[in-house]
Amino acid sequence: SQQGEEDPQALSIQEGENATMNCSYKTSINNLQWYRQNSGRGLVHLILIRSNEREKHSGRLRVTLDTSKKSSSLLITASRAADTASYFCATAFGGQGGKLIFGQGTELSVKP
Amino acid sequence: GAGVSQTPSNKVTEKGKYVELRCDPISGHTALYWYRQSLGQGPEFLIYFQGTGAADDSGLPNDRFFAVRPEGSVSTLKIQRTERGDSAVYLCASSSNGVGQETQYFGPGTRLLVL
Repeated sequence: SQQGEEDPQALSIQEGENATMNCSYKTSINNLQWYRQNSGRGLVHLILIRSNEREKHSGRLRVTLDTSKKSSSLLITASRAADTASYFCATAFGGQGGKLIFGQGTELSVKP
Repeated sequence: GAGVSQTPSNKVTEKGKYVELRCDPISGHTALYWYRQSLGQGPEFLIYFQGTGAADDSGLPNDRFFAVRPEGSVSTLKIQRTERGDSAVYLCASSSNGVGQETQYFGPGTRLLVL
């Protein structure tokens, strides 16, 4: 079963705009990770945020984590057409090694 | 190698046949994971190895699915008596130690189609 729910399921924006994707989960986590996937094939790791962290940045990406609300958000600033992809959040739990539980993803389309 | 590799890229088989999917992890990574992704869904965990042993196989859907990693490097996912519902992209990932706080690096996947 999948633990995460992502919102929205699809998002269409213009180049230069910001894109925000949200992820909610159900049980306590060890960390939460965001991945990107092009064309339904291999996933590319974007950011890992630990349960004791609240915010992380990487280039144009900003991830926040609110463990009290069991939610996370991914913000992509100044989007580009090349950012068009599916974005997934994945959660890891203590005592379960590196097993990841993925959400259903947000399909982002950035129009030039 | 430089990244995780998977072979074949695509596999078409007939219902009832046996298939093997191979994963070659990043050199030195002790943890290896298999996931399955159906169209429009997120990846679904199948099994993960810590070295040669399966540390968690709770995601394998039934006893037609089996995976091995005999030397702690390459892994093979084996599916017996394939069914049309097994059609999906099978993804493999590896990480440095499998304790859960490190990045998983994914391969390009094997797209399996069962006719």
